[in-house]
Amino acid sequence: QVQLQESGPELVKPSETLSLTCTVSGGSISSYYWSWIRQPPGKGLDWIGYISYSGSTNYNPSLKSRVTMSVDTSKNQFSLKLNSVTAADTAVYYCARRTCGGVCYLDYWGQGTLVTVSS
Amino acid sequence: NFMLTQPHSVSESPGKTVTISCTRSSGSIASNYVQWYQQRPGSAPTTVIYEDNQRPSGVPDRFSGSIDSSSNSASLTISGLKTEDEADYYCQSYDSSNQDVFGGGTKLTVL
Repeated sequence: QVQLQESGPELVKPSETLSLTCTVSGGSISSYYWSWIRQPPGKGLDWIGYISYSGSTNYNPSLKSRVTMSVDTSKNQFSLKLNSVTAADTAVYYCARRTCGGVCYLDYWGQGTLVTVSS
Repeated sequence: NFMLTQPHSVSESPGKTVTISCTRSSGSIASNYVQWYQQRPGSAPTTVIYEDNQRPSGVPDRFSGSIDSSSNSASLTISGLKTEDEADYYCQSYDSSNQDVFGGGTKLTVL
């Protein structure tokens, strides 16, 4: 059974960089795309972007200037960096596997981690 | 790009059937497959429908999905409602750049 686990600081100061890592267990990171999605408190899901196991990326245009994703196949991990954060970036951040056959969809999700932006 | 619009909330009684709509703002709903995710309070989302109408293993056949080109919308139908179905439901599709688009979510109350 594939499992994903987010890790990283729960509190980030305004203007600094949010950094999260997602560790994949129970399966290989190869041959899939890996997504980040966030959910502000009490609100809906917001797509951040995804990265392939080979490192190609696709970012939400509204966040593209501040987002960097990377993948480390040797550790079965992928990461998210979001710079110049503000209070509006406070959210539960989820990592998920994006499975693509005839269609792409998110079949495995991490439990999510709440990141608060505050001084 | 396009938006997916869902009703903010729906409610129905146990044992009944409920349908949640997801309307695409531009472009054909049939252009790109639609997925549906269930999110129970305090939990991560899980897939209940993919590729418009396919159920992952483990999802009961009480859940079904469809698309309607005349209304340019997708629908999630849950029959034989149970209290455990009470959750937020999100539709999702993707655009021509393979960028994911989520609907705003619908809160289902089973009362």
